[in-house]
Amino acid sequence: AQSVTQPDIHITVSEGASLELRCNYSYGATPYLFWYVQSPGQGLQLLLKYFSGDTLVQGIKGFEAEFKRSQSSFNLRKPSVHWSDAAEYFCAVYNDYKLSFGAGTTVTVRA
Amino acid sequence: NAGVTQTPKFQVLKTGQSMTLQCAQDMNHEYMSWYRQDPGMGLRLIHYSVGAGITDQGEVPNGYNVSRSTTEDFPLRLLSAAPSQTSVYFCASSYSGSTEAFFGQGTRLTVV
Repeated sequence: AQSVTQPDIHITVSEGASLELRCNYSYGATPYLFWYVQSPGQGLQLLLKYFSGDTLVQGIKGFEAEFKRSQSSFNLRKPSVHWSDAAEYFCAVYNDYKLSFGAGTTVTVRA
Repeated sequence: NAGVTQTPKFQVLKTGQSMTLQCAQDMNHEYMSWYRQDPGMGLRLIHYSVGAGITDQGEVPNGYNVSRSTTEDFPLRLLSAAPSQTSVYFCASSYSGSTEAFFGQGTRLTVV
């Protein structure tokens, strides 16, 4: 069965600094990978997704992610964070009509 | 176009009570699913449906029932609530053949 691991439970970053969130997956075939963001008290919003092709994927809000098959990773990055990026971020893999989520990484942005 | 609508937003139940969490979507999506979100565990799939009249169990189905009599609605029933069911519940929907899921705003359930 596929699984998703987000090694970092909580990350604190200064406003304007770069951000990288790690995601590792375990899956036999070519995975469909996603990053979602959840602001406090809100539902999940899709940031970006990877199906195939270019391994560097651009998403909304200035985020990008890079798929590395050799490392089974799909890390999310943003060059310069804004205070509004404080949220919880989930990596997910899709298979057979279902999404499997990682445990999430909470991002705190300090002024 | 309201997307995915969940009601209620908040609910407190006593142990042993029953209730139904409602989920409706107006996008004519075939696939609908229920997840629960617990701290440090991400979202876990409870039940899902690939179309009206078809449902199946997910990762954590025990204590929950679902049915799908229409394309639009996918209610989640708790027959006898337990404190372990205290969680935030999310409903999601998507088109057949699409991997992009649309999520509702969630229902925060507390069982005391």
